[in-house]
Amino acid sequence: EPEVTQTPSHQVTQMGQEVILRCVPISNHLYFYWYRQILGQKVEFLVSFYNNEISEKSEIFDDQFSVERPDGSNFTLKIRSTKLEDSAMYFCASSYGRTPPYEQYFGPGTRLTVT
Amino acid sequence: QQQVKQSPQSLIVQKGGISIINCAYENTAFDYFPWYQQFPGKGPALLIAIRPDVSEKKEGRFTISFNKSAKQFSLHIMDSQPGDSATYFCAASSKTSGSRLTFGEGTQLTVNP
Repeated sequence: EPEVTQTPSHQVTQMGQEVILRCVPISNHLYFYWYRQILGQKVEFLVSFYNNEISEKSEIFDDQFSVERPDGSNFTLKIRSTKLEDSAMYFCASSYGRTPPYEQYFGPGTRLTVT
Repeated sequence: QQQVKQSPQSLIVQKGGISIINCAYENTAFDYFPWYQQFPGKGPALLIAIRPDVSEKKEGRFTISFNKSAKQFSLHIMDSQPGDSATYFCAASSKTSGSRLTFGEGTQLTVNP
């Protein structure tokens, strides 16, 4: 069964450093998403991406965040200058079409720890 | 107004029992209500979803009950099994919010053998 993959599974970085989280969505999917989950809190939407541009973003997704689809298979989330409060699990998701009715398939997540 | 509130935070059920998780929302524009199941080390996976034009949807042992006037919906797991032990999230989205899913806080379900 096709699945969304994410790398790395765990990233440790120092405050102020740039990090890039990578995702490989399901191959025929057209919509891509990033969510994050701070430990003990709910999953929060960050951004959605379609046709090589951001289609929607949340208030969390400020200028320090950016997304890119650098090639036909990868989807990346860049955090320009990490802060302690960026420590969270970051989930990538993809869907064939807009939700609903199309299901969003989630990857296993990247745990980002900012020290 | 975008919030979805979920309870309980954790739930322990005996094998064969019924697990019930509740969610409430404020935004009347929400028109899609999925439930996600998450096992440790995995991302959330869609379990079952409902639209507000029906009051109940059943898939196997899993049932969503939906009360539009009360702005509440719940997940019932019948004949709960130890393999159902996981974290469950309710979520909601609306046409006006694009494909953004708004999640509840999550419920950690433990089914004892």
